[in-house]
Amino acid sequence: KQEVTQIPAALSVPEGENLVLNCSFTDSAIYNLQWFRQDPGKGLTSLLLIQSSQREQTSGRLNASLDKSSGRSTLYIAASQPGDSATYLCALWDSNYQLIWGAGTKLIIKP
Amino acid sequence: DAGITQSPRHKVTETGTPVTLRCHQTENHRYMYWYRQDPGHGLRLIHYSYGVKDTDKGEVSDGYSVSRSKTEDFLLTLESATSSQTSVYFCAISGGSGGSDTQYFGPGTRLTVL
Repeated sequence: KQEVTQIPAALSVPEGENLVLNCSFTDSAIYNLQWFRQDPGKGLTSLLLIQSSQREQTSGRLNASLDKSSGRSTLYIAASQPGDSATYLCALWDSNYQLIWGAGTKLIIKP
Repeated sequence: DAGITQSPRHKVTETGTPVTLRCHQTENHRYMYWYRQDPGHGLRLIHYSYGVKDTDKGEVSDGYSVSRSKTEDFLLTLESATSSQTSVYFCAISGGSGGSDTQYFGPGTRLTVL
């Protein structure tokens, strides 16, 4: 059964730092992988979708990578800002076209 | 932002009453989903739809039913609400093959069952 793990569960860094959030999965037979952010009391906002044939995707200060052979995806955030504070979730489609979710990393950017 | 609305946004109800939540999309996406989000459990899939009148169960479907009579609307019904169904409910949509395209979420409905 596919399992998705996000470590660390929480992260606090000073403003301006570059940081990496990790997402690992146990079964490399995946389709696409998606990163989301969720602000407290709000819905989920899609950040990046990486298709299974891709190695990375970029959007502004965000870069997501995918390495299926090692069962790992990373979300790189450059020049972090207080507005980046949120919970970041990764989710991937398994062979049954079901989204399997990580528990999220709660990110706090200190001004 | 994808055109997804959920109604109501907040609801308080009593145990044993039926409740219907509505999800409406303007994107003409084929796939629609209902999730619940609870502390300590994350997001869990309740039901999903892959077309008009085509639905299937998710991980936590007991006590819930769905209907999709039009592409744009996906209804979630709690047949007889229980306190364990107090949660935040999210609707999502996606396109692509098998629905494995970008998934977009609605703003959520906060349901409290007393």
